[in-house]
Amino acid sequence: QQQVKQSPQSLIVQKGGISIINCAYENTAFDYFPWYQQFPGKGPALLIAIRPDVSEKKEGRFTISFNKSAKQFSLHIMDSQPGDSATYFCAPQKAGNNRKLIWGLGTSLAVNP
Amino acid sequence: KAGVTQTPRYLIKTRGQQVTLSCSPISGHRSVSWYQQTPGQGLQFLFEYFSETQRNKGNFPGRFSGRQFSNSRSEMNVSTLELGDSALYLCASSLETGELFFGEGSRLTVL
Repeated sequence: QQQVKQSPQSLIVQKGGISIINCAYENTAFDYFPWYQQFPGKGPALLIAIRPDVSEKKEGRFTISFNKSAKQFSLHIMDSQPGDSATYFCAPQKAGNNRKLIWGLGTSLAVNP
Repeated sequence: KAGVTQTPRYLIKTRGQQVTLSCSPISGHRSVSWYQQTPGQGLQFLFEYFSETQRNKGNFPGRFSGRQFSNSRSEMNVSTLELGDSALYLCASSLETGELFFGEGSRLTVL
């Protein structure tokens, strides 16, 4: 059974702080590493994703760091804002016909004002 | 561009009944996948359809089934409902690979 382990389960950060969420996977065939963000009452939405040919990708305040040898990737949220309060999921996958995504259990982030 | 539309948004059923949920994907997307979301289990993959064919299936019992029509709209059906089927059912559409675009889900309560 392929496994994806996401940590921490929940996180409380002060406004302006850095939020870090980690995702560990087992399948070395994965070649697409996304983070999804979900607000209450909404479906998840892609936040940022990385492919294994780079070790880091930054989009605004959001950065993915990828460590292929450790089979881990992380989401860093700089200058965290109350509007970032949401649940974050990692869902590594192998490109191609396989859409049988294995999702992390999610990290509930609360940013205090 | 219209997003993914799921209907109904909320529904209440009793044990033993069956339910059908509908998903209209983004125009041009031929892949539709379904997920069950519960607080303890996160998102679990149910199945994926591409061009009217089931391409992948998760580890759910045969009570869970789906189909896709020629216009890419998809339905999922759950028969003989159990209390444990209470969940948010999410549909996502995509091009063949890559980013998933989710609807807001259908929240099913089984009494």
